Amino acid sequence: NAGVTQTPKFQVLKTGQSMTLQCAQDMNHNSMYWYRQDPGMGLRLIYYSASEGTTDKGEVPNGYNVSRLNKREFSLRLESAAPSQTSVYFCASSTRREGGYTFGSGTRLTVV
Amino acid sequence: KNEVEQSPQNLTAQEGEFITINCSYSVGISALHWLQQHPGGGIVSLFMLSSGKKKHGRLIATINIQEKHSSLHITASHPRDSAVYICAVRDSGGGADGLTFGKGTHLIIQP
Repeated sequence: NAGVTQTPKFQVLKTGQSMTLQCAQDMNHNSMYWYRQDPGMGLRLIYYSASEGTTDKGEVPNGYNVSRLNKREFSLRLESAAPSQTSVYFCASSTRREGGYTFGSGTRLTVV
Repeated sequence: KNEVEQSPQNLTAQEGEFITINCSYSVGISALHWLQQHPGGGIVSLFMLSSGKKKHGRLIATINIQEKHSSLHITASHPRDSAVYICAVRDSGGGADGLTFGKGTHLIIQP
């Protein structure tokens, strides 16, 4: 099915471990985003990529790195996980700045 | 940075009732999105608005750009409409791309 695919769906990490969240879209969208969702707060932008080869920081980038591998794929890396990074992470893509959004199904990450 | 406020935060209603969820924002936008999230589930885009009104089935979304306000209406509500409804805006100025989100309205429709 066309859309945004995120892996894994669930992950438990120990403090200090690293991991990469994968995201791929097959809609030929230029823009891709990583958001985190925490209880009692709206989704917050971590990083975004307006086009292949470019990435920019969002509202809460500390502790994360990203890679726009090609037009389809945008990965999020936690180099040294901390309990404060326990959250649900969503990848999204859109056609252009004013375009509609498509979200992935989310990754529920717990750091212990 | 835009501030997005939704009301009510929680809403419980009986099946068949007409539902209204409100969203206000603080600065000019290029687009407003209404999203739906079921418990433990992903996020689905319902509407993207820049002016006027849109309708899809039993859902209606309106926006008043001058008053910086949008509403989402559900007619003939059904238990399957139970979900969190999220308003999100895209700023019209420069700066970081991406959406600014409200905290969501948790809707429960009882049979």
